[in-house]
Amino acid sequence: RKEVEQDPGPFNVPEGATVAFNCTYSNSASQSFFWYRQDCRKEPKLLMSVYSSGNEDGRFTAQLNRASQYISLLIRDSKLSDSATYLCVVRGIKAAGNKLTFGGGTRVLVKP
Amino acid sequence: GAGVSQSPSNKVTEKGKDVELRCDPISGHTALYWYRQSLGQGLEFLIYFQGNSAPDKSGLPSDRFSAERTGGSVSTLTIQRTQQEDSAVYLCASSLVFLGSRMAYEQYFGPGTRLTVT
Repeated sequence: RKEVEQDPGPFNVPEGATVAFNCTYSNSASQSFFWYRQDCRKEPKLLMSVYSSGNEDGRFTAQLNRASQYISLLIRDSKLSDSATYLCVVRGIKAAGNKLTFGGGTRVLVKP
Repeated sequence: GAGVSQSPSNKVTEKGKDVELRCDPISGHTALYWYRQSLGQGLEFLIYFQGNSAPDKSGLPSDRFSAERTGGSVSTLTIQRTQQEDSAVYLCASSLVFLGSRMAYEQYFGPGTRLTVT
């Protein structure tokens, strides 16, 4: 089993709709969680950190479910510019050097 | 402030040649990662440097790959006797880590080096 798994998609989303997708992680001791966004032929860029209580940044909402070991990202009122690959990132335990592990990404395509 | 920089931005080399890729992390960042990404694929972890600790080399695909980080700052990824399957974008990222804050672990990526082996 991969340490961090994501549905590769693509998720085809009508403009203005809401889309949500999850990322599962295998190590229950994982410490921190992040969502990154990667546009085609560009480097990944931090979208948001994921806090235990869940957090929101504009149209984006991130949730953490430790019991089921997954994080989620919800995008409301999708814009064409939201089309990208969304990468889930998990930080391991201190004993493992706090290493960050990336999922394979979920591709989102927002269409008019 | 300045972000992570990488050089060269593009490198074309002949099969069998050695190449060196350079990464300048954000000043003060103690952690540095190398990844590679083939077209349409996810990030493949290569190596991780954290402060003065021994690097985590578990992702290096073969002994033709090596990396060093001098003075806790600049890092060089070396690929010896390049093969066509080494063609990819090589990405470097750094993070602050030692602030006792969640924010400290966020990675910031450089623009990458696109390596083409002919």
